[in-house]
Amino acid sequence: GENVEQHPSTLSVQEGDSAVIKCTYSDSASNYFPWYKQELGKRPQLIIDIRSNVGEKKDQRIAVTLNKTAKHFSLHITETQPEDSAVYFCAASMGSYIPTFGRGTSLIVHP
Amino acid sequence: GAVVSQHPSRVICKSGTSVKIECRSLDFQATTMFWYRQFPKQSLMLMATSNEGSKATYEQGVEKDKFLINHASLTLSTLTVTSAHPEDSSFYICSARSGEVYYGYTFGSGTRLTVV
Repeated sequence: GENVEQHPSTLSVQEGDSAVIKCTYSDSASNYFPWYKQELGKRPQLIIDIRSNVGEKKDQRIAVTLNKTAKHFSLHITETQPEDSAVYFCAASMGSYIPTFGRGTSLIVHP
Repeated sequence: GAVVSQHPSRVICKSGTSVKIECRSLDFQATTMFWYRQFPKQSLMLMATSNEGSKATYEQGVEKDKFLINHASLTLSTLTVTSAHPEDSSFYICSARSGEVYYGYTFGSGTRLTVV
């Protein structure tokens, strides 16, 4: 089955800095890569996703890049704000199959 | 957008009792729902896949008789933790896939179970 590795487990940045979270996957058949943000005690929420037919996708301060050859994808958050503090999960799936989640990254943005 | 409602949000029960958690898709039909367990500061661990009108599919290591899943309609799946013990205390979250292949999975709001 699919195996998703996520790094780092904890990321601490100053407000205004950029944050990058990296994930690798094992199954070359995976073609859908969502990212979820989970605030303490709340549900994970989809913040951005990318399909294997594109290499990069942006949505305001958030971007995701995908390298299919290397089987890794990354989340980039620019101009971080304290409200970006949360746990971020990457995931990988093949089509409609349920995604496999990474272990999560706790992002802390210091004012 | 797609909404998944989960109740209760918090429950405290005595050891040995059973607790039922409900997961409803509010504006779409979900033939398949998923149940996760999440320990503090850890990732989502898939427990089982709930299939409408048929038996649930459990992940390896998950006790079927302890975590009873019923998916009686296209909008409702329930997870019953039977004979709960303190080690069952956790955050339980359901999710459902809403519509198109790449539409993504929508999560319920989660249930914090504390067994005393």
